[in-house]
Amino acid sequence: EVQLLESGGGRVLPGGSLKLSCAASGLTLSRYAMTWVRQAPGKGLEWVSAISGNGDRTFYADPVKGRFTISRDNSKNTLYLQMTSLRAEDTALYYCAKGLYPSGTEWDYLDNWGQGTLVTVSS
Amino acid sequence: SSELTQDPAVSVALGQTVKITCQGDSLTSFYPSWYQQRPGQAPILVIFGKNNRPLGIPDRFSGSSSGTTSSLTITGAQAEDEADYYCNSRDSSGQRVMFGGGTRLTVL
Repeated sequence: EVQLLESGGGRVLPGGSLKLSCAASGLTLSRYAMTWVRQAPGKGLEWVSAISGNGDRTFYADPVKGRFTISRDNSKNTLYLQMTSLRAEDTALYYCAKGLYPSGTEWDYLDNWGQGTLVTVSS
Repeated sequence: SSELTQDPAVSVALGQTVKITCQGDSLTSFYPSWYQQRPGQAPILVIFGKNNRPLGIPDRFSGSSSGTTSSLTITGAQAEDEADYYCNSRDSSGQRVMFGGGTRLTVL
């Protein structure tokens, strides 16, 4: 059974940094593209970033480009999201999600999701 | 435009059929996927591609697309289908992804 477990969320001051992790089990992570999706309190889903299976391609939504960095350590079956220059509007539950096909290039069809880790940016 | 538009709310009588729509220019190039999210839970993939269901998703869920509009249809809605539904698709670049604003489905 595939499981994704996010961690690293918390409360941070505006302008601060945080690094999220997503530990995967029950699969060989390197075969799959991975995605971060966030959901602000009471709001809809927002795609944040994606990375190909071997990590050679990364993509970002405009609101986070230049501030967030997605990476992965396939030897540890773990996905990361380094977040810097955090703003109040980054406050959200951050989900990691797995691409459907073991092609390493599927980052829109997301068939497994973690339960999320909450990031709160506030003074 | 680089966005996906969904109706904010839809209702359906128990056992009846409901169609939830998603509009966007990118849908002429890419099939969407659809997600169900119940309160306090993570999203679940219910439809992907032209009309494919992951294992475990009931066959009352189906998808279709025509031009700039894609639809999720629930035939014989059940009480447990009451949830928020989101579509997503690649954007016009084919590299980034976007979600629709979501549709809250109420089963009466």
